Amino acid sequence: AQKVTQAQTEISVVEKEDVTLDCVYETRDTTYYLFWYKQPPSGELVFLIRRNSFDEQNEISGRYSWNFQKSTSSFNFTITASQVVDSAVYFCALKPHSSASKIIFGSGTRLSIRP
Amino acid sequence: DAGVIQSPRHEVTEMGQEVTLRCKPISGHDYLFWYRQTMMRGLELLIYFNNNVPIDDSGMPEDRFSAKMPNASFSTLKIQPSEPRDSAVYFCASNPSGGRTEAFFGQGTRLTVV
Repeated sequence: AQKVTQAQTEISVVEKEDVTLDCVYETRDTTYYLFWYKQPPSGELVFLIRRNSFDEQNEISGRYSWNFQKSTSSFNFTITASQVVDSAVYFCALKPHSSASKIIFGSGTRLSIRP
Repeated sequence: DAGVIQSPRHEVTEMGQEVTLRCKPISGHDYLFWYRQTMMRGLELLIYFNNNVPIDDSGMPEDRFSAKMPNASFSTLKIQPSEPRDSAVYFCASNPSGGRTEAFFGQGTRLTVV
């Protein structure tokens, strides 16, 4: 099976707390690509990051960081010192190389940051 | 670049009417995708095109749905006749050739069938 699981349906934290969004994927392909998208209340889907299967380096961008672990098929997303503007639905997604550009989305995690 | 452009942004129609959603992909992108988003089913891929040719339409829910891409800069998704259960947000996305790149999404069309 080729799928993405985001087990956390909703998360609510107080502003300035750190929060981690989990993502577990399944694929038969040895080459694949992983993504995170943000969907704020306005509704658009905003690309955040892409990671290739052959690059397990973690990445940090400001308050955002991503931890990719092939051994556990996980691609987790951490927001440090969360802010109210981080409130959104976050989607993890997978594009297996054999899928000819077809992207498989997880069900999303709704993150609420309380002031 | 203006990004992926969808129209209309909102559509309210009566059951039984024909609905046409429109999409202009980013210039130079070879792939175009139509997704549907609902609370119950999340983001579902309906159909995608490569170089204007439909590649996989297995996600199209039934014969009432059809999609066309007459040229590289325009695609339509048509529902005829529409039903209340078609109410959803429909997204169009595009990306260039090559599996490494992410898909760029339009702002979506919120369809309400009453």
